Amino acid sequence: NAGVTQTPKFQVLKTGQSMTLQCAQDMNHNSMYWYRQDPGMGLRLIYYSASEGTTDKGEVPNGYNVSRLNKREFSLRLESAAPSQTSVYFCASNPRGQGAGGELFFGEGSRLTVL
Amino acid sequence: AQKITQTQPGMFVQEKEAVTLDCTYDTSDPSYGLFWYKQPSSGEMIFLIYQGSYDQQNATEGRYSLNFQKARKSANLVISASQLGDSAMYFCAMRGGGSARQLTFGSGTQLTVLP
Repeated sequence: NAGVTQTPKFQVLKTGQSMTLQCAQDMNHNSMYWYRQDPGMGLRLIYYSASEGTTDKGEVPNGYNVSRLNKREFSLRLESAAPSQTSVYFCASNPRGQGAGGELFFGEGSRLTVL
Repeated sequence: AQKITQTQPGMFVQEKEAVTLDCTYDTSDPSYGLFWYKQPSSGEMIFLIYQGSYDQQNATEGRYSLNFQKARKSANLVISASQLGDSAMYFCAMRGGGSARQLTFGSGTQLTVLP
């Protein structure tokens, strides 16, 4: 049971470099999300995609772009990495289209360090 | 806007005792859901329990129960008979009832179970 798969698990970048975090889910879920986790701040939403073909900004979108390539895949791109983007990034998915129920299924996280 | 507040950065509990982790929330949505996740030191996010705003009874899942007090806007997690493996970070989260199905997370409580 793969669930939500993120790659890479670890990455070190220099300031100004670009990279893409990949996320894929095999549960046929409609909605997908990217969160970042910083010490003492919980998880904050970067971008989300309620369904294939749509993306929306979350709480902290600056410096990031996303692509919902198909129903399975949702990538997060850092065009010009900054030290402030050093964080642990989580991809998540959710099966339902409406309503308040249904938990998020999370990937294992990607630890990014920007020097 | 939705807000989740966890006021206990760290908690200690003796093995086999019960512990309550506090969570208060703020929302103007009449329909919402409340979630608790566990994050052990390995980093993955583990879903524990869910409570819907219209649910009449408090949710329970094994040793976990959610003490939902709607008038006080609180959704405390109760862990009974604590085990050493319960030592982890615990996050409270909320979702509104609209089509945007992202979760808003609190800052977390680090629980340490003492032998």
